[in-house]
Amino acid sequence: QVQLQQWGAGLLKPSETLSLTCAVYGGSFSGYYWSWIRQPPGKGLEWIGEINHSGSTNYNPSLKSRVTISVDTSKNQFSLKLSSVTAADTAVYYCARGRGGSYPGYYYYYMDVWGKGTTVTVSS
Amino acid sequence: SSELTQDPAVSVALGQTVRITCQGDSLRSYYASWYQQKPGQAPVLVIYGKNNRPSGIPDRFSGSSSGNTASLTITGAQAEDEADYYCNSRDSSGNRVVFGGGTKLTVL
Repeated sequence: QVQLQQWGAGLLKPSETLSLTCAVYGGSFSGYYWSWIRQPPGKGLEWIGEINHSGSTNYNPSLKSRVTISVDTSKNQFSLKLSSVTAADTAVYYCARGRGGSYPGYYYYYMDVWGKGTTVTVSS
Repeated sequence: SSELTQDPAVSVALGQTVRITCQGDSLRSYYASWYQQKPGQAPVLVIYGKNNRPSGIPDRFSGSSSGNTASLTITGAQAEDEADYYCNSRDSSGNRVVFGGGTKLTVL
């Protein structure tokens, strides 16, 4: 049973850098997309970005200038850094495993394993 | 703003059938996946691919797709189905992941 365990600082001041790590237990690291998603209080889910086992990344264009996602395959871990945080970055941050593929004529993508979430508050 | 559009709220009487929809251009080439989220909890995958349920998801949950619209149907809604539901896919380029804005389901 694959599990994702995430951790990182929960209280930041404006302009600091958010740093979170997600460890993958009980399953392979290769062959999947590893994503970060956030959810501001009372709002919906926002995809931040993803990385695969070889280090190839995709980012949400709205956050791309401030986001770095990296991977450490030796530890089965991936990490998120978000620089220059403001109060608007206050949210619950989730890590998740993504899987994709295709049928004839159609593609599919889904996130089947999620971390429990880390609450990050940005306040002076 | 989301590239996948969902109705903000839907209600259903206990035991009745409800359909939650998701619209977006990417759904012409991607099947939507669907997630249930209860307060204070992480999202849980309920439907993926053409119409697949992960282990442990009741068979009252089903998915379908037509054109640019994907639907999640709950047949015989239960009180425990009251939650927020999100659709998800990649965008048409395949380079980004997108979520719908979410639908709050109330079971009356």
